Amino acid sequence: RKEVEQDPGPFNVPEGATVAFNCTYSNSASQSFFWYRQDCRKEPKLLMSVYSSGNEDGRFTAQLNRASQYISLLIRDSKLSDSATYLCVVKGDSNYQLIWGAGTKLIIKP
Amino acid sequence: DAEITQSPRHKITETGRQVTLACHQTWNHNNMFWYRQDLGHGLRLIHYSYGVQDTNKGEVSDGYSVSRSNTEDLPLTLESAASSQTSVYFCASRDSSGSNEQFFGPGTRLTVL
Repeated sequence: RKEVEQDPGPFNVPEGATVAFNCTYSNSASQSFFWYRQDCRKEPKLLMSVYSSGNEDGRFTAQLNRASQYISLLIRDSKLSDSATYLCVVKGDSNYQLIWGAGTKLIIKP
Repeated sequence: DAEITQSPRHKITETGRQVTLACHQTWNHNNMFWYRQDLGHGLRLIHYSYGVQDTNKGEVSDGYSVSRSNTEDLPLTLESAASSQTSVYFCASRDSSGSNEQFFGPGTRLTVL
């Protein structure tokens, strides 16, 4: 079993719709969680951290469920520019170690 | 503006050749990382460094080496390139103050024939 698992997609979503995807992690001792965004053939960039109580940044909402060991990302009122691959990242129990999911591809259609 | 650059951006080489990928950051970050990205896999850590003269192996370090002679640079060397090392390579850096955010270079696409 992979340490961080994501549905690879693609998720094909009409513009303006709401879309959500999850990510599961295997290490219950994981301490920090993040969503990164990666555009085609570009480098990953931090989208948002995920806090225990859940957090929101504009149209994006991230949630953590420690009991079931998953995090989620919700995008409301999706825009064409949201088309990208979303990478789930979990910080392990060492100072450096980030464990990366393979990503979920999102395609927003006009 | 601070940035992290990688060179070359694209490289084609032959099996058995030594290849060095450059990574240069002007963030003045102590922590630097090399990852490879392959289809169906998340980013996998090759090597990392916490500061000058410090280097550590990641989960896929076999066949790779790094050196850290200054804060700005962490070159990645493939000792004897193999076709299995065809991949996209990303360099990243992070502030050691406690922030978890990693800043990435634009990547190097390496093909080993």
